[in-house]
Amino acid sequence: AQKVTQAQTEISVVEKEDVTLDCVYETRDTTYYLFWYKQPPSGELVFLIRRNSFDEQNEISGRYSWNFQKSTSSFNFTITASQVVDSAVYFCALSEAGRWGGSEKLVFGKGTKLTVNP
Amino acid sequence: DAGVIQSPRHEVTEMGQEVTLRCKPISGHDYLFWYRQTMMRGLELLIYFNNNVPIDDSGMPEDRFSAKMPNASFSTLKIQPSEPRDSAVYFCASSLATSGGLTRQYFGPGTRLTVL
Repeated sequence: AQKVTQAQTEISVVEKEDVTLDCVYETRDTTYYLFWYKQPPSGELVFLIRRNSFDEQNEISGRYSWNFQKSTSSFNFTITASQVVDSAVYFCALSEAGRWGGSEKLVFGKGTKLTVNP
Repeated sequence: DAGVIQSPRHEVTEMGQEVTLRCKPISGHDYLFWYRQTMMRGLELLIYFNNNVPIDDSGMPEDRFSAKMPNASFSTLKIQPSEPRDSAVYFCASSLATSGGLTRQYFGPGTRLTVL
């Protein structure tokens, strides 16, 4: 069965600090997809990134970066120079290959609540 | 473009009443998902549809819950009778299949349900 573990329930940092959110996943499939979503205090879920299991290249998007390591089944998310607006709950999610090999349903981790203090 | 639309945004009802949550997916999307979010259980997938057909309803908690998608632009999630433990935020999401599967799911703003 697939499972996503976000061991950090809450993290608090001061603005401009770097912060890494951990995500460890379990799956028996060789083809799978990993996601990060952000849920700000307003409550909506905002898509951040999708990676497939064949692409282990790290990704950088502005202050955000993602480190995918199949050897440790981890897909960690780093925010560089954090800002107050980064305060949110961040969810890691896993999708095993669906009926036609692509991503379908998501299994979410419990989320990490990040608070960035001024 | 309009995103996923859910109604109502907030619903307060009494135990035993029927509750109907509504969702309008993004036009052209062929997948629709219903999730429930609670503090205890986090985000859980309840059911999802592909081309209006239910594909996996294994997350539906019990027979009191039912979901329908009569056409490509509308879905409902019904709880009858409702119980206090059904209190949660219910999200609808839609997506479009590509050759690599679903690239992302677009979430609606959620319906906050309170059952007294």
